[in-house]
Amino acid sequence: EVQLVQSGAEVKKPGESLKISCKIFGYSFNNYWIGWVRQMPGKGLEWMAITYFGGSATKYDPSFRGQVTISVDKSIDTAYLQWSSLKSTDTAIYYCASATDGNFHWDHWGQGALVTVSS
Amino acid sequence: QSALTQPASVSGSPGQSITISCTGTSSDVGGYNYVSWYQQHPGKAPQFIIYDVSSRPSGVSSRFSGSKSGNTASLTISGLQAEDEADYYCCSYTRSGSTYVFGTGTKVTVL
Repeated sequence: EVQLVQSGAEVKKPGESLKISCKIFGYSFNNYWIGWVRQMPGKGLEWMAITYFGGSATKYDPSFRGQVTISVDKSIDTAYLQWSSLKSTDTAIYYCASATDGNFHWDHWGQGALVTVSS
Repeated sequence: QSALTQPASVSGSPGQSITISCTGTSSDVGGYNYVSWYQQHPGKAPQFIIYDVSSRPSGVSSRFSGSKSGNTASLTISGLQAEDEADYYCCSYTRSGSTYVFGTGTKVTVL
């Protein structure tokens, strides 16, 4: 059974850096994509970026390109989302999700990680 | 890219049917049969309930069905139940950047 387990809630100050993780369990092969989704307080879902675990393809939504960086460590089946300088507007819940290559829907989701940025 | 357009809210009484629309463009909804729908209860992660416009994953109630016409996809919930009260989001693959775009989200209220 596929499971995505995310790191815990974070409280940071503006200007600080942060890296949150998504540990993937249950895939037999690396033929899947990992995506990151933002949900600001009381708002809808927004795609941030997707990356292919079986290769090096990474695609960012234009709204998030240059604002965040996604990466993977295939040796420990973990994906990351990182910021170099947080803003208060980055306060949100961040979800990771997975999709098998060749499918175009996101069938497994992490539990979400709340990031709070406040001075 | 711009979010797909959904009504902000839809309501219905138990047992009724409701339909949620999701309008995009020929670059996303109209251009591919890769529309999926997600249900999100308060404080929970989204769960997918429809994929490839009208396919239903195992374990999802047959009361949920999807369709598409032109640039508009739709989710119908028949025999509305109290447990269906949640937020619903459509999602489409998009030619723009070869990535995905969500709808604006619809809050379903069971009266």
